Amino acid sequence: QVQLVESGGGVVQPGRSLRLSCVGSGFTFSAHAVHWVRQAPGKGLEWLAQLWSGGNYKYYADSLKGRFTVSRDDSKDTAYLDMNSLSAEDTAVYYCARDGQLFAPYSLDLWGQGTTVIVSS
Amino acid sequence: QSALTQPPSASGSLGQSVTISCTGTSSDVGGYSLVSWYQHHPGKAPKLLLYEVSQRPSGVPDRFFGSKSGNTASLTVSGLQAEDEADYYCNSYAGRGWVFGGGTKLTVL
Repeated sequence: QVQLVESGGGVVQPGRSLRLSCVGSGFTFSAHAVHWVRQAPGKGLEWLAQLWSGGNYKYYADSLKGRFTVSRDDSKDTAYLDMNSLSAEDTAVYYCARDGQLFAPYSLDLWGQGTTVIVSS
Repeated sequence: QSALTQPPSASGSLGQSVTISCTGTSSDVGGYSLVSWYQHHPGKAPKLLLYEVSQRPSGVPDRFFGSKSGNTASLTVSGLQAEDEADYYCNSYAGRGWVFGGGTKLTVL
């Protein structure tokens, strides 16, 4: 079954850090770039970051101000989103998504179900 | 990376057509033919509807049509069905990242 599954969400105190994971299955994970997207309560989708296959090139949304870092371990078919200095504004459902590459380039053609992060004291 | 502009809401009757606009700048929508559209039912994973402005992935019905003129892209949904009621988001590559629109809630009357 072709899918992405996120994990690592939960309740975290302001100022703390959190790592989210995204495991891919049913396809060649290493051949695809991976995006991270979030949706805050009552808000729209916000693109956060993208990590190319091979892991050498990364793009981030300017709004993150360097607090988030993406990485991947293709031996585990897993991508990561490391989030630092969390604040209430980071409360959201976090999705990982696969870049369509050759078939649907520069689009997000497969999404996970999301993992919820709540930043609260 | 400013969000693309979409109308917050749109509506249409069963069987009719509706068009949702997505306005950006020459740095995103106008600069690349790399606009994609997503359908999002709350609580579920977003679904890719169109990529490269007007290309449909397999399984997406041809009732969904995309176009672009200048800095504005558009999604037209024809033959509206009850299951089309959802949130719709445009997205564009922007040179050193991607940017979403604010989303449009489509109501099927």
